[in-house]
Amino acid sequence: NAGVMQNPRHLVRRRGQEARLRCSPMKGHSHVYWYRQLPEEGLKFMVYLQKENIIDESGMPKERFSAEFPKEGPSILRIQQVVRGDSAAYFCASSGTRTEAFFGQGTRLTVV
Amino acid sequence: GESVGLHLPTLSVQEGDNSIINCAYSNSASDYFIWYKQESGKGPQFIIDIRSNMDKRQGQRVTVLLNKTVKHLSLQIAATQPGDSAVYFCAEAISTGANSKLTFGKGITLSVRP
Repeated sequence: NAGVMQNPRHLVRRRGQEARLRCSPMKGHSHVYWYRQLPEEGLKFMVYLQKENIIDESGMPKERFSAEFPKEGPSILRIQQVVRGDSAAYFCASSGTRTEAFFGQGTRLTVV
Repeated sequence: GESVGLHLPTLSVQEGDNSIINCAYSNSASDYFIWYKQESGKGPQFIIDIRSNMDKRQGQRVTVLLNKTVKHLSLQIAATQPGDSAVYFCAEAISTGANSKLTFGKGITLSVRP
């Protein structure tokens, strides 16, 4: 049973470009969470999704950020018109019927 | 607002000694707590969890203690090994139905001296 898969592991974007981060949850998991981590800091909640639904997006910036978890395919975190302050590690976690969440290895976004 | 925090930013222990990592939480409604370990360049790895109807839970070389009276959580690692060196995060959640979002503390670095 493969774990949570995130890709790409590293992503470099120029200011103003779009970044797309993908997350495939563990088999059987229908709940996905996205977190952002700045260097030397903890994980900040961004968004919680179930299949085709956004359950809680209280941690998402109001502009430029969006997330989806379609019926088929991975969950996507999309950042439009990236700025240097978006540089961070973005982690995805998935869970099933229990609260326990398993994390992927993260995508490290660098905006140059 | 509500937050989860850690008392100390770093902890250095001698190999073979026991480690105790402490965490304070402020949301009295939280009923589920997890400890995660994060090694450099990797995602958080689940260590152990505990629900609010328990005050102690043991795993392999690890024990989590929950004191709801003072809103305190601790992780004890027995016979600390070099491989235990990592950043440790506590996380809290309010269970709503079958799933809930996790709120993380800032993390504490555990450094094991050989």
